Amino acid sequence: EPEVTQTPSHQVTQMGQEVILRCVPISNHLYFYWYRQILGQKVEFLVSFYNNEISEKSEIFDDQFSVERPDGSNFTLKIRSTKLEDSAMYFCASSEPLAGGNEQFFGPGTRLTVL
Amino acid sequence: DAKTTQPNSMESNEEEPVHLPCNHSTISGTDYIHWYRQLPSQGPEYVIHGLTSNVNNRMASLAIAEDRKSSTLILHRATLRDAAVYYCILSYENNAGNMLTFGGGTRLMVKP
Repeated sequence: EPEVTQTPSHQVTQMGQEVILRCVPISNHLYFYWYRQILGQKVEFLVSFYNNEISEKSEIFDDQFSVERPDGSNFTLKIRSTKLEDSAMYFCASSEPLAGGNEQFFGPGTRLTVL
Repeated sequence: DAKTTQPNSMESNEEEPVHLPCNHSTISGTDYIHWYRQLPSQGPEYVIHGLTSNVNNRMASLAIAEDRKSSTLILHRATLRDAAVYYCILSYENNAGNMLTFGGGTRLMVKP
């Protein structure tokens, strides 16, 4: 069964450093998403992406965040200057553009630890 | 965004049915009801969704009240693998690309 994959599974970085989290969505999906979950808290929406542009973003997704689909398979989340509070699990998801369907398939996540 | 209310936790015995309730009294006519679950140390996983009619799939059943102000996710025979946090989420028009707003969910514990 096709699945969303994410790399790395765990990323440790120093405060102020840039990180890039990578995702490979399911191949025929056209909508892509990033969510995050701080330890012990709710899953929070960050951004959705379609047709090479951001379609929706939350207040969390400020100027230090960016997303890109550099090729036909990868979808990346970049954090330019990490802060301690960026430590969280980051989940990528994708969905098909079916009418009447918003089933999102999530990856296993990347645990980001900012020291 | 229309909000949902779920119990913080529920307990079930293995191989017994489980009914997970969700209240969404401010639901609008175009909101679809989605259920996702999150197993320990994993990403959320789609379970089922519906609009007005009850729905069945291989994982679960979804019973939607006639006034749509509440719904119940039914696991017909709970297994230890079903221990997870279950989220009831409303999605406007169920359009692909819509953000999912996760609440606290219901933590289901399954006893052997």
